[in-house]
Amino acid sequence: EIVMTQSPATLSVSPGERATLSCRASQSVTSNLAWYQQKPGQAPRLLIYGASTRATGIPARFTGSGSGTEFTLTISSLQSEDFAVYYCQQYDNWGTFGQGTKVEIK
Amino acid sequence: EVQLVQSGAEVKKPGDSLRISCKGSGYSFTSYWIGWVRQMPGKGLEWMGIIYPGDSDTRYSPSFQGQVIISAVKSISTAYLQWSRLKASDTAMYYCVRIMGYRSGWYDYWGQGTLVTVSS
Repeated sequence: EIVMTQSPATLSVSPGERATLSCRASQSVTSNLAWYQQKPGQAPRLLIYGASTRATGIPARFTGSGSGTEFTLTISSLQSEDFAVYYCQQYDNWGTFGQGTKVEIK
Repeated sequence: EVQLVQSGAEVKKPGDSLRISCKGSGYSFTSYWIGWVRQMPGKGLEWMGIIYPGDSDTRYSPSFQGQVIISAVKSISTAYLQWSRLKASDTAMYYCVRIMGYRSGWYDYWGQGTLVTVSS
């Protein structure tokens, strides 16, 4: 099973600042990587698939990059609605998730 | 509009059986894989298994093989997740998802979740 590791576990950021979240796969998943956002009490929402393609309706401030085993989600200027937990998921071999990164207000 | 609507919250006792449901609408239910994802209290997301409603081809995560059964009835566009004997450790939120791609893909639509509480 492919293991996904996210870092950091918690990221404290001020509104308007940039946030950079990392995700590492235990073996290459090529570009078969998605990112999801989950707010308290809500189901997760798809942000990025194919490592870098934004899902429908996702603002341009969300950018995904990387391939192989190293991936990054960048939120260019954090808005109040962006404070949430973010999960990466590989779907190269079924669908394992990272443990999540919580983005909190600094 | 694509929607996945799940059945309501359940409170059960250890040893009980349970089946929860996920009804798809707004798209061709038989043309996309459906998956189930577990989220234990305060924890992350875990992929449980998937089913292709078109022919009921089903695959399970090794962690959940033998623990749950996934099924679907295409005539009513509904997928199911069931347990024969619940344990306290099955307490969690369960989400159904629509999967883009063949078996292994990203999850573009999520149900609202079904909270299952197992307690004596």
